[in-house]
Amino acid sequence: EAGVAQSPRYKIIEKRQSVAFWCNPISGHATLYWYQQILGQGPKLLIQFQNNGVVDDSQLPKDRFSAERLKGVDSTLKIQPAKLEDSAVYLCASSLGRGGLVYEQYFGPGTRLTVT
Amino acid sequence: RKEVEQDPGPFNVPEGATVAFNCTYSNSASQSFFWYRQDCRKEPKLLMSVYSSGNEDGRFTAQLNRASQYISLLIRDSKLSDSATYLCVVKDGGATNKLIFGTGTLLAVQP
Repeated sequence: EAGVAQSPRYKIIEKRQSVAFWCNPISGHATLYWYQQILGQGPKLLIQFQNNGVVDDSQLPKDRFSAERLKGVDSTLKIQPAKLEDSAVYLCASSLGRGGLVYEQYFGPGTRLTVT
Repeated sequence: RKEVEQDPGPFNVPEGATVAFNCTYSNSASQSFFWYRQDCRKEPKLLMSVYSSGNEDGRFTAQLNRASQYISLLIRDSKLSDSATYLCVVKDGGATNKLIFGTGTLLAVQP
């Protein structure tokens, strides 16, 4: 079974530039998550989608970050404009369901972003 | 206070040693608990869930103390391949499947 796919794997941009990341979840997984992992820290949830609807975006810096999952499958995460503190690995994960039931989350390889 | 706290380590142990990691969580409403493993420059992967009665998977034993809001992971007979960061993870007490990750504990098993 194919895992969670992400691209690009690496990205270097200058501050104030914009960047977009793409994620393709495991087939059939209704729930998709974007995490930010800063070096030396655990992943932090940015946004969670259930199909194409947002379930939780409480930790998404909405002045500069946006995400969409238009057809309930692939998703993109955008940063505009980027700041130095956005340098991190952006992880996409997917799981079967939602709500009170706990389903294992499968992570993609991540996109390593460096903002200079 | 952080939602999930772990000792960042590193823990440097010889092969064959037994090592224990501890974790505390702040939200008493949390219901589900996990240990994830993250290899260097790789994505996190589920190692095991943690049940109230404690559970074992080969050389790995996880325990939960709800009264103290404390989770532990014990690794017996450490292997070189166990070298990784171990993330303590707690499911948020709300209706979503939101996971709260600790900062992770780095384990380095030495030959």
